[in-house]
Amino acid sequence: AQSVTQLGSHVSVSEGALVLLRCNYSSSVPPYLFWYVQYPNQGLQLLLKYTSAATLVKGINGFEAEFKKSETSFHLTKPSAHMSDAAEYFCAVSPDTGRRALTFGSGTRLQVQP
Amino acid sequence: DVKVTQSSRYLVKRTGEKVFLECVQDMDHENMFWYRQDPGLGLRLIYFSYDVKMKEKGDIPEGYSVSREKKERFSLILESASTNQTSMYLCASSKRGAGLVGANVLTFGAGSRLTVL
Repeated sequence: AQSVTQLGSHVSVSEGALVLLRCNYSSSVPPYLFWYVQYPNQGLQLLLKYTSAATLVKGINGFEAEFKKSETSFHLTKPSAHMSDAAEYFCAVSPDTGRRALTFGSGTRLQVQP
Repeated sequence: DVKVTQSSRYLVKRTGEKVFLECVQDMDHENMFWYRQDPGLGLRLIYFSYDVKMKEKGDIPEGYSVSREKKERFSLILESASTNQTSMYLCASSKRGAGLVGANVLTFGAGSRLTVL
């Protein structure tokens, strides 16, 4: 069965610094991979999605993620953090059989220091 | 512009009460989902539905049931609430599309925070 591991439940960066949030997956078939973001007191919204069309995926708000099959990773990056990026970020992987749903990681809370 | 609406943002219930959490979507999506969100555990799937009157158990269905009588509405039911069901509950929907149920983008509601005393 598919699974997702997010390394680091909390990440703190300074405003303007590089953001790197780590995600490793396991799947028996080529996966679809997602990053979702949750701002305080809100539901989740899609940041970006990998569907095998290109290994580097660009999302909203300047975020991007690179699919690396050899490392089974899909890390999320942003070159320069902004205060408004403070939120919780979830990586998710599609199921490897038909009638199943997305599997989410445990989440990484990003703090941005002024 | 609200697309997935969860009727109650905050609920406080007592142990043993029957609890209904309602979710309505206006995007004509075939698939609807109920997740539970707890700190350090991420989102865990309770149940999902891929069509009217159809349901599938997720990873943690014990203590919960669901109802989907109309395409736009998916209800989560706690038959006898317990304190370990205190949590944030998130409803989501997605189009059927081709391929796997879980391959399509989810649209989430704002969540329902349930406290069971």
